[in-house]
Amino acid sequence: EAQVTQNPRYLITVTGKKLTVTCSQNMNHEYMSWYRQDPGLGLRQIYYSMNVEVTDKGDVPEGYKVSRKEKRNFPLILESPSPNQTSLYFCASSSQGSTEAFFGQGTRLTVV
Amino acid sequence: QKEVEQDPGPLSVPEGAIVSLNCTYSNSAFQYFMWYRQYSRKGPELLMYTYSSGNKEDGRFTAQVDKSSKYISLFIRDSQPSDSATYLCAMSVGTYKYIFGTGTRLKVLA
Repeated sequence: EAQVTQNPRYLITVTGKKLTVTCSQNMNHEYMSWYRQDPGLGLRQIYYSMNVEVTDKGDVPEGYKVSRKEKRNFPLILESPSPNQTSLYFCASSSQGSTEAFFGQGTRLTVV
Repeated sequence: QKEVEQDPGPLSVPEGAIVSLNCTYSNSAFQYFMWYRQYSRKGPELLMYTYSSGNKEDGRFTAQVDKSSKYISLFIRDSQPSDSATYLCAMSVGTYKYIFGTGTRLKVLA
């Protein structure tokens, strides 16, 4: 089954404790991205990657890091999480030239 | 001013009603216009997409783009309780960097 898989689905952590949210897709898509979704603000892009080893900042990159060492994986790293990073996070992928983005199920992160 | 504006709702309608969802935008360079549907506790799923101006129909759903007014719409005919979800508009200049609206929450009452 074609899918984007995120882990974990739910995470509660403390301020300053480094964490990684994994994202993996099995569709051989070139393009992957991370979004955060907040009430009243909608989906905002954090980082995106056009292909392996090619990443760039989206609209709200502060406090986040990403890497793209393999085509299928695009982890999101929070080196020192803060409470304002409490949000619902989505990973998405799409093939080059396509307008359809496939989203993961989401990761609900709470930073206390 | 946000690049994409969307009324958050919530919008409650009786089953069988025609629903109209709308977004306005400010960037005249947008060429791709999409509607995503997001059920509770799920990721968004592409419902329809339109390139440039015009209408597109798919079953009970019709997407309209009016580039001169910078206004897009999604119409749902014969709405069903299963259509209850949040509807997100999205737009892009190219085929990858999307700007999303905040989403409109729709509830169709049986």
